[in-house]
Amino acid sequence: QSALTQPASVSGSPGQSITISCTGTSSDVGGYNYVSWYQQHPGKPPKLLIYDVTRRPSGVPSRFSGSKSGNTASLTISGLQAEDEADYSCSSHTPSSIFVVFGGGTKLTVL
Amino acid sequence: QVQLVESGGGVVQPGRSLRLSCLASGFTFSTYGMHWVRQAPGKGLEWVAVVWYGGTNDFYADSVKGRFTISRDNSKDTLYVQMDNLRVEDTAVYYCARDRAGLRGIDWSFDLWGRGTLVTVSS
Repeated sequence: QSALTQPASVSGSPGQSITISCTGTSSDVGGYNYVSWYQQHPGKPPKLLIYDVTRRPSGVPSRFSGSKSGNTASLTISGLQAEDEADYSCSSHTPSSIFVVFGGGTKLTVL
Repeated sequence: QVQLVESGGGVVQPGRSLRLSCLASGFTFSTYGMHWVRQAPGKGLEWVAVVWYGGTNDFYADSVKGRFTISRDNSKDTLYVQMDNLRVEDTAVYYCARDRAGLRGIDWSFDLWGRGTLVTVSS
């Protein structure tokens, strides 16, 4: 069982917006602004989408945004496109001996 | 071209050892902390270990502590992980990943990933 909880799957139609949640505890997501989000297409390595809860690396479209409320972080994708169909995983730093915890991943289907 | 290329994976029996390598190119390797992250078949990502850019500090997930050793050779732009006393549950694709923070230390976000190398532990 993963340390962070994500829904197994979400879906949306092209042009719509979807939000993926990532729930942890006050010892990880809720306690620190070190939440990241990754996109992973089948057979490919993960790609960093969001870091430090809300920041986007250069080259990542502004359609991808991150937020946090309490112990839950969220990734919102607006204006869904077919190429957004992928697995999305969150992670958080934690000062415990675990250091980094990941969510189990969410499969996004673009209908 | 900025990239990471892992090598050294394969099939190994439980209790045996394996060393993975990750060759970096296209950026100044010695100025970035580096991680190993693994993904068991059909499962989520699991962080394994980190080494600071100068190699002075390293930390491990509890699941591998005492069995895995991360190291780097900045003169060869190469990251390593020595995996001893392998277990069936260590079966995974192993990715090397660059920490985003650079000389600021460790940010715990991974902005460059290799394509991974598969390690299968089976008798």
